[in-house]
Amino acid sequence: AQTVTQSQPEMSVQEAETVTLSCTYDTSENNYYLFWYKQPPSRQMILVIRQEAYKQQNATENRFSVNFQKAAKSFSLKISDSQLGDTAMYFCAFKQFPFNAGGTSYGKLTFGQGTILTVHP
Amino acid sequence: NAGVTQTPKFQVLKTGQSMTLQCAQDMNHNSMYWYRQDPGMGLRLIYYSASEGTTDKGEVPNGYNVSRLNKREFSLRLESAAPSQTSVYFCALGANTGELFFGEGSRLTVL
Repeated sequence: AQTVTQSQPEMSVQEAETVTLSCTYDTSENNYYLFWYKQPPSRQMILVIRQEAYKQQNATENRFSVNFQKAAKSFSLKISDSQLGDTAMYFCAFKQFPFNAGGTSYGKLTFGQGTILTVHP
Repeated sequence: NAGVTQTPKFQVLKTGQSMTLQCAQDMNHNSMYWYRQDPGMGLRLIYYSASEGTTDKGEVPNGYNVSRLNKREFSLRLESAAPSQTSVYFCALGANTGELFFGEGSRLTVL
């Protein structure tokens, strides 16, 4: 079974600074997806960024980027120019291939325990 | 996410009572999921449905039942609620691009 570990229960950063959230995972599979989700106090789960394991290039979405180290099974999230609205719980998640016969993914996501990020003014 | 609607948003039950959490989608996705979120444990999969008419157990299925009667709806039932089932419950849809779309969550308290 796959496991996802987030070793930082809480992090804090000053507004406009950069912060990195850590995530490691354990799998024997070669093909999979990795995700970072954000959960603000509203409780809504929001997709921040996704990475396909077969892609060597690290994913980037505006101020959010990842450092994907496949051999080390590490998937960290870097938030640049932190904003007050980035204050939230962040979850790392893993999803194994394959897709079903119809070509539609039905795979389950396995989540880490979460990291609470607080951005201070 | 407007495409996933969960009801109710909040519920308080007494031990032994039953209830059903409803989830409905308007995004035409095949796969649907029920997760529970507890402090320090992230989200854990209770049950999922790969397609209409099929359901499978996830990581923590004990004490729950599900029903996927049509493509649009996936319900989660607690037959005899226990305090250990106090949690926030999320319904989610599986996108073709791999990620999940989540509902707004339902907070359940069992006294």
